[in-house]
Amino acid sequence: ETGVTQSPTHLIKTRGQQVTLRCSSQSGHNTVSWYQQALGQGPQFIFQYYREEENGRGNFPPRFSGLQFPNYSSELNVNALELDDSALYLCASSFGGQWETQYFGPGTRLLVL
Amino acid sequence: QQQVKQSPQSLIVQKGGIPIINCAYENTAFDYFPWYQQFPGKGPALLIAIRPDVSEKKEGRFTISFNKSAKQFSLHIMDSQPGDSATYFCAAAGGGGADGLTFGKGTHLIIQP
Repeated sequence: ETGVTQSPTHLIKTRGQQVTLRCSSQSGHNTVSWYQQALGQGPQFIFQYYREEENGRGNFPPRFSGLQFPNYSSELNVNALELDDSALYLCASSFGGQWETQYFGPGTRLLVL
Repeated sequence: QQQVKQSPQSLIVQKGGIPIINCAYENTAFDYFPWYQQFPGKGPALLIAIRPDVSEKKEGRFTISFNKSAKQFSLHIMDSQPGDSATYFCAAAGGGGADGLTFGKGTHLIIQP
């Protein structure tokens, strides 16, 4: 088990609503990345935060936004939820100097009805 | 646009056999190639990773073979066990990591007793 925790574990929302997912990174890690994993697919990179700044973003619309806090925990916010947003949302933490070694949390399963 | 192609989609091997999973990439800027193992309800866990300056890397029963000219890499699992039954993902990254990891679509591996 990694030291990365995510909350909540499961969530059900309706189309058009907003959702906030949370991630607590492994001790000593200052970089957090978020991924979306649709059923039966590999994870897709949403964005990455390093020292509270977004320093990389995948092909996701602006309604996906995030924050990183001084303790390096992080939030993923999704506005105007769509049915296709139903997925497992994973966060991964790493240490900036060793960014490649990413440790994933268990994920939050989001269902949009 | 799929930058990392993974095959096969599913694989069944007898206990003790050597499952082989293959991946091919397109982006020559990639310089880090990890493999992740994911069990149902869990986040991906890093198994082993390789950089393009070596052609093979072994860690325990897991071996990565890397062919830079062909832009291909593969995972071999020696002496496979039923506990190895999981979904395996190859991934690739480069350019300092700000673009995150690009994952393949995954291989569902079953090791039969």
